Amino acid sequence: EDKVVQSPLSLVVHEGDTVTLNCSYEVTNFRSLLWYKQEKKAPTFLFMLTSSGIEKKSGRLSSILDKKELFSILNITATQTGDSAVYLCAVIRGDDKIIFGKGTRLHILP
Amino acid sequence: DAGITQSPRYKITETGRQVTLMCHQTWSHSYMFWYRQDLGHGLRLIYYSAAADITDKGEVPDGYVVSRSKTENFPLTLESATRSQTSVYFCASSANDYPSWNEQFFGPGTRLTVL
Repeated sequence: EDKVVQSPLSLVVHEGDTVTLNCSYEVTNFRSLLWYKQEKKAPTFLFMLTSSGIEKKSGRLSSILDKKELFSILNITATQTGDSAVYLCAVIRGDDKIIFGKGTRLHILP
Repeated sequence: DAGITQSPRYKITETGRQVTLMCHQTWSHSYMFWYRQDLGHGLRLIYYSAAADITDKGEVPDGYVVSRSKTENFPLTLESATRSQTSVYFCASSANDYPSWNEQFFGPGTRLTVL
């Protein structure tokens, strides 16, 4: 059965810390991996990863995919209270089906 | 309004009733999706549609019906609501051209409570 597992489930850090969120997957016919940030309402798109070893970067956020070891990480440097959210990882299969992880709840203390 | 909208935003209904959740997008995206989000399960795909008149089951389709007669609309119907269908429902859409086909844009969600 296909699955996407995120860890940790929750994380509390202080402002300014660097965090690494993990996403591992076992999915048939992998096509791409997505990261989303969900605050109070709908998820918003962060990154799409399709190739191993190529880092995607947006400001203080970055992500990379390892298709051999079947995982991705999302890094956030110099965290701010506005980074507090649930971060979702999702994998899209070749047949267009998408499987989400349960998310990592990140809380940044001021 | 531009973007992707859902209605109603909140709905309370009773077991056994039929409920339809609406989703409308203004981008002419080919793909549209329905998810439910429950504590402990994350987002789970109910149905998706690759184009008008083309729909397919996702991970948890039982108890739901969808249609897509127009590209911009993708209603989700609960034919006979059950308490286990109490959830937050998200609609999403994505374009059909690489590389943006995987970037999904989500609606604001509908919180459904079945009593």
